[in-house]
Amino acid sequence: DAGVIQSPRHEVTEMGQEVTLRCKPISGHDYLFWYRQTMMRGLELLIYFNNNVPIDDSGMPEDRFSAKMPNASFSTLKIQPSEPRDSAVYFCASSLGDISNQPQHFGDGTRLSIL
Amino acid sequence: EDQVTQSPEALRLQEGESSSLNCSYTVSGLRGLFWYRQDPGKGPEFLFTLYSAGEEKEKERLKATLTKKESFLHITAPKPEDSATYLCAGGTTSGTYKYIFGTGTRLKVLA
Repeated sequence: DAGVIQSPRHEVTEMGQEVTLRCKPISGHDYLFWYRQTMMRGLELLIYFNNNVPIDDSGMPEDRFSAKMPNASFSTLKIQPSEPRDSAVYFCASSLGDISNQPQHFGDGTRLSIL
Repeated sequence: EDQVTQSPEALRLQEGESSSLNCSYTVSGLRGLFWYRQDPGKGPEFLFTLYSAGEEKEKERLKATLTKKESFLHITAPKPEDSATYLCAGGTTSGTYKYIFGTGTRLKVLA
């Protein structure tokens, strides 16, 4: 079975540009999560969706970040405008059922570098 | 405040040298304690879920245990391919949903 698929794997862009990260969750999973990982802060939950509806976006750093899930098989995380401090690895994960006691399945991430 | 703390931050072992990684948690209403393995350039890979104190789970050279305050990941006779970062996370629905990750233990097993 296909796992969580993220694209692109690497993104290098200049400050001020718009960045769009993409995620395809595991088929049938009803929860989707976006995380950011840095050496200093570890894995931080940015936002999560249930059945395509955003449930908690309290981890989104600021208004420059936005996320959408137009259907059950696709989600985007957008940064506009991007800043050097946004450089990190961004992970998408999906899970099924009770998210407090079910594992999350992660993609291999997008390594984002903002120059 | 809900928190998950892992120790040590980094660990170097000789091949065959058994050891344990610690995950201490203060998570109200813990519903599950999760262990993940993360290889460089990859996303975390799920290993185990523990639901209640006293529970143990095993997979190859790994055994995870859970008490009311902490979880241990025991590595028996490790091999170089066990080198990775090991993450633990606590899941709770106390108040709003939370899935809290620790910062991980970087394990290096030397041949």
